Amino acid sequence: AQSVAQPEDQVNVAEGNPLTVKCTYSVSGNPYLFWYVQYPNRGLQFLLKYITGDNLVKGSYGFEAEFNKSQTSFHLKKPSALVSDSALYFCAVRGTAGGYQKVTFGIGTKLQVIP
Amino acid sequence: GAVVSQHPSWVICKSGTSVKIECRSLDFQATTMFWYRQFPKQSLMLMATSNEGSKATYEQGVEKDKFLINHASLTLSTLTVTSAHPEDSSFYICSAKPGGPTDTQYFGPGTRLTVL
Repeated sequence: AQSVAQPEDQVNVAEGNPLTVKCTYSVSGNPYLFWYVQYPNRGLQFLLKYITGDNLVKGSYGFEAEFNKSQTSFHLKKPSALVSDSALYFCAVRGTAGGYQKVTFGIGTKLQVIP
Repeated sequence: GAVVSQHPSWVICKSGTSVKIECRSLDFQATTMFWYRQFPKQSLMLMATSNEGSKATYEQGVEKDKFLINHASLTLSTLTVTSAHPEDSSFYICSAKPGGPTDTQYFGPGTRLTVL
């Protein structure tokens, strides 16, 4: 069974500092990987995805993520955090072996950017 | 582009009544729509997957007779919570996936259901 781990419940970072939100996964076959952001009482907004190709994926709002196959990780990063980045971030994965696999979401990491 | 709407955004109902939630893809055709339930401080739990014109596929443990899903067109799916009870109170989120090679799901803003 596929799974996603977001080891940190919450990440605190000062405004202007770089941020990293961690994600590791386990799937059969090659992974499709996604990051979504959720603001309070809202649905999820798509940030970026990795399907194939360059390991460094650039997405919305200045976010990027690096696919590391050997470490089975897909950490979300941003060079300079903004207070408005404070939200709940979800990593998601879909395996590609054995027919269509549903997307599995991590439990989410709350990002708090401190002014 | 890729906007998904949900209606209503919040609803309060009495125990025993039924509630219908609509999910629409506004600027694309969604061959597949998903319904999720999110509990406070928890991740999304996939309830069911629906493809236009066919019956929904429910996840294990989800009662298909209680959570009726209809995907009548390429832009509309509905979730009806029948005979709602307080334990059905939750945040329900739909997502839609365009056809073709893209694998990205686009999410609606969610519906907060409170059953009294």
